[in-house]
Amino acid sequence: AQKITQTQPGMFVQEKEAVTLDCTYDTSDPSYGLFWYKQPSSGEMIFLIYQGSYDQQNATEGRYSLNFQKARKSANLVISASQLGDSAMYFCAMREISSGNTPLVFGKGTRLSVIA
Amino acid sequence: KAGVTQTPRYLIKTRGQQVTLSCSPISGHRSVSWYQQTPGQGLQFLFEYFSETQRNKGNFPGRFSGRQFSNSRSEMNVSTLELGDSALYLCASSAGVVAGKAEQYFGPGTRLTVT
Repeated sequence: AQKITQTQPGMFVQEKEAVTLDCTYDTSDPSYGLFWYKQPSSGEMIFLIYQGSYDQQNATEGRYSLNFQKARKSANLVISASQLGDSAMYFCAMREISSGNTPLVFGKGTRLSVIA
Repeated sequence: KAGVTQTPRYLIKTRGQQVTLSCSPISGHRSVSWYQQTPGQGLQFLFEYFSETQRNKGNFPGRFSGRQFSNSRSEMNVSTLELGDSALYLCASSAGVVAGKAEQYFGPGTRLTVT
């Protein structure tokens, strides 16, 4: 069964600094997708970035990049130049693809606090 | 393009009652998924509907049910409410799978409190 682990319940980062949020996963499916979502206090989940298991390069979206290490089964999110508005919960999620349209499985999340 | 909308945003019910939550997906999206989010259990998948058919179901009791209409709008129903059903219920829509990637766009959620 697929599993997502986020070991950092909370993180602090100084404004304008970079921060890495950890995510490890477990699956036996060779084809899968990894997602990161941001959830501000308002509750809405905001899609940030996607990495496919067969993608050769690490995904990047603006200030977000995904450090994908397939052999270690890790998919860490890197946020560069942190802003106060980045303070939120961050969730790593995975979907197995070979077996069809399986649902997203989420980690427990990391609460990021950006300090001025 | 309008995002995913959920109604109502907040709801207070008492034990034993039933509740219906509504979700309107992004125009053109045919897949709607529902998730329950609680502090203890995190985000848990409830079910997914695609073209009016339930395509996936999570591990929840039969008190939780859903449906999808021809316009892709979806409703979920919880009967005989329990205190443990208090949660944020999130709906997500998706256009489908493209090269294995299926972004899900979430709505703002419905916060249900059961007293």
